[in-house]
Amino acid sequence: DTGVSQNPRHKITKRGQNVTFRCDPISEHNRLYWYRQTLGQGPEFLTYFQNEAQLEKSRLLSDRFSAERPKGSFSTLEIQRTEQGDSAMYLCASSFDFVTGTSTDTQYFGPGTRLTVL
Amino acid sequence: DAKTTQPNSMESNEEEPVHLPCNHSTISGTDYIHWYRQLPSQGPEYVIHGLTSNVNNRMASLAIAEDRKSSTLILHRATLRDAAVYYCILRRSGNTGKLIFGQGTTLQVKP
Repeated sequence: DTGVSQNPRHKITKRGQNVTFRCDPISEHNRLYWYRQTLGQGPEFLTYFQNEAQLEKSRLLSDRFSAERPKGSFSTLEIQRTEQGDSAMYLCASSFDFVTGTSTDTQYFGPGTRLTVL
Repeated sequence: DAKTTQPNSMESNEEEPVHLPCNHSTISGTDYIHWYRQLPSQGPEYVIHGLTSNVNNRMASLAIAEDRKSSTLILHRATLRDAAVYYCILRRSGNTGKLIFGQGTTLQVKP
């Protein structure tokens, strides 16, 4: 078990460009979450997948953001037409919930992708 | 979702116990109390969780008030590696399980 991995670890882009991040969860984990963290703040929830289904999206996730989890394995988060306000650490977490809806599952976080928009 | 209140920062000496408080006066009966911590330059990591009874694991202990309106994370012997931001989070049973992080408590451990 290698833990949750995220790629790339760092991304620098110019305003207006599109970027895509990848998250590989722990094998067999059925839940996958994306969070965003800006300097000095706690992480903020962005979106959640149960297997391949995207079941919740935060209001923070504007139309420029899209996330997928094909086949319920890895996930991608794409940001189109990046803005300087998108600069943040993007964290992915995965968990396994034996019984849907108990909210006792432990979330395992990856190291994050730090995005800098110039 | 119910809100939690934590002190912004705390200090401790190495090898001494640390008690990190959390107030959650609007907690509901189905809310679990979770603690995560975030070491510098890392993603958050799970510490402990509980519902009503006190809980112990290899990392820490969680003491929950009888009325559940507050809780305390106890690190029995702080080490330098325990310097981190500690988040107290309420997770409602039946929802997606998303974590709603507050500002957390920044713990400094002095040698």
